[in-house]
Amino acid sequence: GENVEQHPSTLSVQEGDSAVIKCTYSDSASNYFPWYKQELGKRPQLIIDIRSNVGEKKDQRIAVTLNKTAKHFSLHITETQPEDSAVYFCAASKTGNQFYFGTGTSLTVIP
Amino acid sequence: DAGVTQSPTHLIKTRGQQVTLRCSPISGHKSVSWYQQVLGQGPQFIFQYYEKEERGRGNFPDRFSARQFPNYSSELNVNALLLGDSALYLCASSLATDTQYFGPGTRLTVL
Repeated sequence: GENVEQHPSTLSVQEGDSAVIKCTYSDSASNYFPWYKQELGKRPQLIIDIRSNVGEKKDQRIAVTLNKTAKHFSLHITETQPEDSAVYFCAASKTGNQFYFGTGTSLTVIP
Repeated sequence: DAGVTQSPTHLIKTRGQQVTLRCSPISGHKSVSWYQQVLGQGPQFIFQYYEKEERGRGNFPDRFSARQFPNYSSELNVNALLLGDSALYLCASSLATDTQYFGPGTRLTVL
């Protein structure tokens, strides 16, 4: 089955700096890659997703890049704010099938 | 417009007991997936249902079962509870096969 690895497990940045979280996947047939943000005690919230026919997608301060050849994708957050502090999960799936999640990255934005 | 709802919010059981968790998907969504999230880890896939049929099953023992009703709501049943079943159980709904939206989860504690 699919194996998703996520790095780093913890990340601290100064407010206003950028944060980058990286994930790799093993199944070349995976074609959908969402990112979720989970605040303490709350549900995972979808923040951005990308499909395998696209190399990059941006939504305001958040962007995701996908390298199908290397089987890795990354989340980029620019101009970080304290409210960006949370645990971020990447996931990979083949359309119509189960999601495989990474182990999470705990992001702390220091004011 | 209501999101995914789950009940109960919290549940405390003892070893050997049985538990039923409930999920109502977003209106119009026909697919429901169940995940187990142990503290500090990413969600682990348990089941996916689409149009009342099981579409996928994760690596969980037969003590775990689920079903989907004609109104697309779903139940997750766990028999013979073990201490290791203590976790946050998340339900996610999707229109068909990809973008999943999570409910708030049910926190299960097994004593």
